[in-house]
Amino acid sequence: AQSVTQLGSHVSVSEGALVLLRCNYSSSVPPYLFWYVQYPNQGLQLLLKYTSAATLVKGINGFEAEFKKSETSFHLTKPSAHMSDAAEYFCAVSEGGTDKLIFGTGTRLQVFP
Amino acid sequence: DVKVTQSSRYLVKRTGEKVFLECVQDMDHENMFWYRQDPGLGLRLIYFSYDVKMKEKGDIPEGYSVSREKKERFSLILESASTNQTSMYLCASSLVKTGTGELFFGEGSRLTVL
Repeated sequence: AQSVTQLGSHVSVSEGALVLLRCNYSSSVPPYLFWYVQYPNQGLQLLLKYTSAATLVKGINGFEAEFKKSETSFHLTKPSAHMSDAAEYFCAVSEGGTDKLIFGTGTRLQVFP
Repeated sequence: DVKVTQSSRYLVKRTGEKVFLECVQDMDHENMFWYRQDPGLGLRLIYFSYDVKMKEKGDIPEGYSVSREKKERFSLILESASTNQTSMYLCASSLVKTGTGELFFGEGSRLTVL
């Protein structure tokens, strides 16, 4: 069965610092991988997705993620954090290329001035 | 823009009550999903539907049922609410069955069962 593991339930950074949110996946087939963001009191929205094309994927709001098969990882990064990035971030994997997504437990990002 | 609307943002119910959570999407999407979100557990899939009158169990269907009589509407039903069903419930939709993984979410319904 496919699964994702997010390391660190809380991450705190200063404004302007690098953001790194970690996600490792488990899959017996080439996975489709996703990052979603949830701002306070809102639903989730798609940040970016990997579907077996380029291994470096760029998303909205300056975020990007790199698919590394050798490390079974799909970490999310942003070079310079902004206060508006404070949110909860979820990594997800698609089961069998369908839209049935399996989500990780989430990482809450805090950004300090 | 795709809009997924959940009828109630906040509900308070008593143990044993029957609870209906309604979700409507306005973009003719084929797929609809119900997830529950709990701190430290992330999102867990309760039920999903790829077509009208069609439903499939997700990872945690016990204590829940669903109904999809029209393409745009997907209802989650708690036949007899229990305190362990206190949670945030998120509805989502996506375009086609063999999809791209882009789910559109509603803002959530926070249910408290007393």
